[in-house]
Amino acid sequence: DTEVTQTPKHLVMGMTNKKSLKCEQHMGHRAMYWYKQKAKKPPELMFVYSYEKLSINESVPSRFSPECPNSSLLNLHLHALQPEDSALYLCASSQDPYRAGGVNEQYFGPGTRLTVT
Amino acid sequence: GQQLNQSPQSMFIQEGEDVSMNCTSSSIFNTWLWYKQEPGEGPVLLIALYKAGELTSNGRLTAQFGITRKDSFLNISASIPSDVGIYFCAGQLRSNFGNEKLTFGTGTRLTIIP
Repeated sequence: DTEVTQTPKHLVMGMTNKKSLKCEQHMGHRAMYWYKQKAKKPPELMFVYSYEKLSINESVPSRFSPECPNSSLLNLHLHALQPEDSALYLCASSQDPYRAGGVNEQYFGPGTRLTVT
Repeated sequence: GQQLNQSPQSMFIQEGEDVSMNCTSSSIFNTWLWYKQEPGEGPVLLIALYKAGELTSNGRLTAQFGITRKDSFLNISASIPSDVGIYFCAGQLRSNFGNEKLTFGTGTRLTIIP
């Protein structure tokens, strides 16, 4: 089973709203990722969590706040977003970020289509 | 961020034709991944390559890890309508320190002409 689930599938929010995106995996993976994808572009990395600790923040604005409550869950809290933040937000997971010789492919969820009005 | 050169940018083919696309980089990677993405969905992993020169198949798909470690190609044989989508390559430089980022290609959009 290589399933990563994301909720909601679609989200429309105003610029003053607070909302959260959720991601879940039950593959025992210890690294989880948030990506942002604009139309016709490849995914852009936002955050990486390794063993429930934030290990990479790609200079993402503070209106995006990630959280990893446990090894299976990853949230992205949204506040005071701008219309240009409208995009497909993808979550991914991989087995073990420290096993250099082992399998470490990233598996993606279906994404949340976010529209900021 | 850095993106890999992926070509062609788009392909219009007839059902049954074979497809070939490739990805090149100015720096080396020790893992190459190929993903397919359909509209409104997340990328789906098709093939992972771990050794220079490695040739791996997954059904009608075949991918190779270039011996210079700076390129990879993906072939699809006898295309069918469900092959439509955007194909992304991704390079990764795995290390003992973890958190290896994926560097994505610019994507190849495959369209099948009826």
